[in-house]
Amino acid sequence: EVQLVESGGGLVQPGGSLRLSCAASGFTFSSHAMTWVRQAPGKGLEWVSSITSSGGSTNYADSVKGRFTISRDNSKNTLYLQMNSLRAEDTALYYCAKGTARLYFFDYWGQGTLVTVSS
Amino acid sequence: EIVLTQSPATLSLSPGERATLSCRASQSVGTSLAWYQQKPGQAPRLLIYDASVRATGIPARFSGSGSGTDFTLTISSLEPEDFAVYYCQQRYNWPLAFGGGTKVEIK
Repeated sequence: EVQLVESGGGLVQPGGSLRLSCAASGFTFSSHAMTWVRQAPGKGLEWVSSITSSGGSTNYADSVKGRFTISRDNSKNTLYLQMNSLRAEDTALYYCAKGTARLYFFDYWGQGTLVTVSS
Repeated sequence: EIVLTQSPATLSLSPGERATLSCRASQSVGTSLAWYQQKPGQAPRLLIYDASVRATGIPARFSGSGSGTDFTLTISSLEPEDFAVYYCQQRYNWPLAFGGGTKVEIK
């Protein structure tokens, strides 16, 4: 059974940092692209960042470029999102999502970890 | 940057009725489009990918069509569990994008 379990969310002040993790199991993690998607309270889905299966290529939404860094450790079956210079508008539920064989469609999602940026 | 516009924002229907949801892209995405369903308090679920291919385990009442800039998700006969928010998503180019969503509510 595929499982994605996010962790690392919490309350942080504007300008602060957080590192999110997503522990994956039930599939060959190193064979799949992975993605972070966020959802602000009561709002729609927003793509944040994606990384290829090897970690050799990454992409970011303009809203987070230069502040967030996606990475993965295939030996630990874990995806990360380092979030720096956090802003109030980064407040959201952050999901990790597994890419399908068609790459950047997402067939499994975690339950999300909540990030709240507030003073 | 490709923008996906979903309509209507809200669709009020009764169980057993047919639902037709639209997703329009600001430029062609070929057939690189997916549909997701999200229920309150739950993560999204992949329904359709490549515009018309049902994901594993998705009932046949869900169907997708379209190519280029205009796409449709059809639910042939609404079941009680189908009342939810539906999102389209393109993977044609970067940045990836989701539409704003259509809420299918019980009339």
